[in-house]
Amino acid sequence: GDSVTQTEGQVTVSESKSLIINCTYSATSIAYPNLFWYVRYPGEGLQLLLKVITAGQKGSSRGFEATYNKETTSFHLQKASVQESDSAVYYCALSDHNNRIFFGDGTQLVVKP
Amino acid sequence: NSKVIQTPRYLVKGQGQKAKMRCIPEKGHPVVFWYQQNKNNEFKFLINFQNQEVLQQIDMTEKRFSAECPSNSPCSLEIQSSEAGDSALYLCASSLNNANTEVFFGKGTRLTVV
Repeated sequence: GDSVTQTEGQVTVSESKSLIINCTYSATSIAYPNLFWYVRYPGEGLQLLLKVITAGQKGSSRGFEATYNKETTSFHLQKASVQESDSAVYYCALSDHNNRIFFGDGTQLVVKP
Repeated sequence: NSKVIQTPRYLVKGQGQKAKMRCIPEKGHPVVFWYQQNKNNEFKFLINFQNQEVLQQIDMTEKRFSAECPSNSPCSLEIQSSEAGDSALYLCASSLNNANTEVFFGKGTRLTVV
């Protein structure tokens, strides 16, 4: 079946340092799924951070970037310089042809001042 | 910001009791999804609707849950007889169609079965 793997349950980064959160996917129901990063800030609902629907393309939002790599089936999230306000749980996800979303288990980002 | 409204935010039920939660999708969104996020943060797709029709559902939903999206009323998800393992965050989401459009999520209903 379709699935998403995030290997890190929590990542701690000092403010202004760079960030990478790893994500790999496996898609069997669809050759090139849409890929997403969702974020949940404390006390808030899940919200879309960025989305890429074409293999090889890069998506970006609020300083975060992720590149759809079909060779390595990866969609890692990166940011050059994190802020305390970026502290949240980040979910990598893919959607199938029926728009059902398959989420990773999430990575808690803690940004230290 | 998402305008998917879920009520209640928190729900506590005893084992064997019914548990019902509601969702108002974003205005104009005919497609509604329900997901369960357990204490290990794992998401599970439960069911989706287009207007009032069920598109897909998993076995568990078919057997122990009932869900509907009547016209001009909130959508609902009801567990007929709650079990401890049902304790989770239930997320409702909506979209314009069931392919390639953004899905907007509500804040969820946190169900605790004691």
